[in-house]
Amino acid sequence: AQTVTQSQPEMSVQEAETVTLSCTYDTSENNYYLFWYKQPPSRQMILVIRQEAYKQQNATENRFSVNFQKAAKSFSLKISDSQLGDTAMYFCAFMKPPPPGANSKLTFGKGITLSVRP
Amino acid sequence: GAGVSQSPSNKVTEKGKDVELRCDPISGHTALYWYRQSLGQGLEFLIYFQGNSAPDKSGLPSDRFSAERTGGSVSTLTIQRTQQEDSAVYLCASSFSRTGEVGAGLVYNEQFFGPGTRLTVL
Repeated sequence: AQTVTQSQPEMSVQEAETVTLSCTYDTSENNYYLFWYKQPPSRQMILVIRQEAYKQQNATENRFSVNFQKAAKSFSLKISDSQLGDTAMYFCAFMKPPPPGANSKLTFGKGITLSVRP
Repeated sequence: GAGVSQSPSNKVTEKGKDVELRCDPISGHTALYWYRQSLGQGLEFLIYFQGNSAPDKSGLPSDRFSAERTGGSVSTLTIQRTQQEDSAVYLCASSFSRTGEVGAGLVYNEQFFGPGTRLTVL
């Protein structure tokens, strides 16, 4: 079974600064997907960024980037130039590759509440 | 197009009553998932539908929980004889079921989430 651990329950960052959210996971799979989801107060889960385990290059989406360390099973999210709209709960998630014609569930960490201060 | 919708948005019920939560997936999405978000527990997988069948219902916490999906579209999650520990936000997600290979892995189908139903059991 896979597990995802987010050990920091809360973090705070000043607007325009950079913050890094930590995530570790445990799996015996060699090929898998990792995700960061954002959940604002509206409760709507939004996919922030995705990383395929077979890719060595770290994924980047505008101000969001990851540091994927496969050997260490670590997957941290860096938010640059933090904005007030980044205030939300952030979840790290793991997915096994789906079997042909089917899909796979997401396994989530417990999340971290990020507050961006003006 | 329209996203995943869930109803009701909020539900307050008394302990022991049955509740039904509804999920309308994105049109054309053949896969549908239910997750539960509880305080201190994070997001937990409950059940996954492929079409109308449920190949993975491993996350249902007890036999008081059941779900069905009809016509490959709408899904209903039913909780019988609700308990206070059932209080949570219930999230639904849907995705395509494309097949094939990308790079060294099978194709990934993004899950799109609804806004959830907040269930409070008094």
